[in-house]
Amino acid sequence: RKEVEQDPGPFNVPEGATVAFNCTYSNSASQSFFWYRQDCRKEPKLLMSVYSSGNEDGRFTAQLNRASQYISLLIRDSKLSDSATYLCVVKATRDSGAGSYQLTFGKGTKLSVIP
Amino acid sequence: GAGVSQSPSNKVTEKGKDVELRCDPISGHTALYWYRQSLGQGLEFLIYFQGNSAPDKSGLPSDRFSAERTGGSVSTLTIQRTQQEDSAVYLCASSLAGFTEAFFGQGTRLTVV
Repeated sequence: RKEVEQDPGPFNVPEGATVAFNCTYSNSASQSFFWYRQDCRKEPKLLMSVYSSGNEDGRFTAQLNRASQYISLLIRDSKLSDSATYLCVVKATRDSGAGSYQLTFGKGTKLSVIP
Repeated sequence: GAGVSQSPSNKVTEKGKDVELRCDPISGHTALYWYRQSLGQGLEFLIYFQGNSAPDKSGLPSDRFSAERTGGSVSTLTIQRTQQEDSAVYLCASSLAGFTEAFFGQGTRLTVV
């Protein structure tokens, strides 16, 4: 089983649509969760952290369900500029002990927002 | 510096040559990660440094790959006897200790011809 799984897409949506991305993770020791955005031929950039209580940043809402080991990202009122690949990322302690962490990326979900 | 800096941005090398890729992390960040991304693929973990601890080298694909981090700051990834399948973008990221987010450099695009 892959450590972080995402639907690869692509998701092709019209401007103004609402789109949801889902992610599951297998490592129950995971303690922090993030969504990154990666534009074509660019480095990944942090979009938002994900908290247990859920959090919102403008048109973006992230949710975490620890019991189900499931993370989601909702984008409302999609813009052309939202077109990118969205990466689900989890951070956990390594087996080697405290103070050592692993950062695991999903393969990403590609979003294309169409005029 | 303000962000993670990687050099060179692009590198074209002949098969069989050695290359060195450099990463300068954000000042004060004790954790440093190297990843590789082939065209259209996800990020592949290579190696992780945390402070003065022994690095986690579990992702290095072969013994041609090595990395070091001097003085807990700058890191160099070395690929010996490069092969065409080494062509990829090599990304470096740094973070504070703990469960904090990581920040990426712009990457080094390596092409082996």
